[in-house]
Amino acid sequence: SYELTQPPSVSVSPGQTATITCSGDELSNQYSYWYQQKPGQAPLLLIYKDVQRASGIPERFSASSSGTTVTLTISGVQAEDEADYYCQSTDNSATSVVFGGGTKLTVL
Amino acid sequence: QITLKESGPTLVKPTQTLTLTCTFSGFSLSTIAEGVAWIRQPPGKALEWLALIYWNDDKAYTPSLKSRLTIAKDTSKNRVVLTMTNLDPVDTATYYCAHFTRDASGWSSGHDYWGQGTLVSVSS
Repeated sequence: SYELTQPPSVSVSPGQTATITCSGDELSNQYSYWYQQKPGQAPLLLIYKDVQRASGIPERFSASSSGTTVTLTISGVQAEDEADYYCQSTDNSATSVVFGGGTKLTVL
Repeated sequence: QITLKESGPTLVKPTQTLTLTCTFSGFSLSTIAEGVAWIRQPPGKALEWLALIYWNDDKAYTPSLKSRLTIAKDTSKNRVVLTMTNLDPVDTATYYCAHFTRDASGWSSGHDYWGQGTLVSVSS
């Protein structure tokens, strides 16, 4: 089955830039999406169709795509950005959705 | 304003069938491009996408659970129902429903609205 691979954890100091990668064989021809999830809360859509910021999402959240890897970048990280981040895409049939394993962002 | 809310049993015995209902407002599944998906999350683990249904009744399931899942919509009541058969303790999770739309090219907008989730425990 199709899988998306994320690093389990990323740590960054406040004000620095955090980058979270997501790799998958079909990412070069299927869109990617990014979600933030804080403890006890439902996920929040951050990025859709590779690079589009969802409504109300701060500009410090951005994303890029290169080949089979997509990257979420958080510029000027704030304490409130500490959360789990998930990438999401679809398989090559564009019917079955898959989530990455998630990355825990720790703000030092 | 779009809202979704999951409902169903909190405790299910192994081998039983789970039926979850997603009741939503702010959109209609009779409207072109609208869809609802189900996603689950075992305690302390990652999100797992389960199934989706579109306004036109097209459906999709995660391959690993396809034989156990059924998704259906009741457009008149603004509800989507997910049925999962032959429950096992590994199915213990918070189950979410989420809204999405599909653009003219067929691409998803992403799961832009989520319910609060409902925790289902599977235990004898």
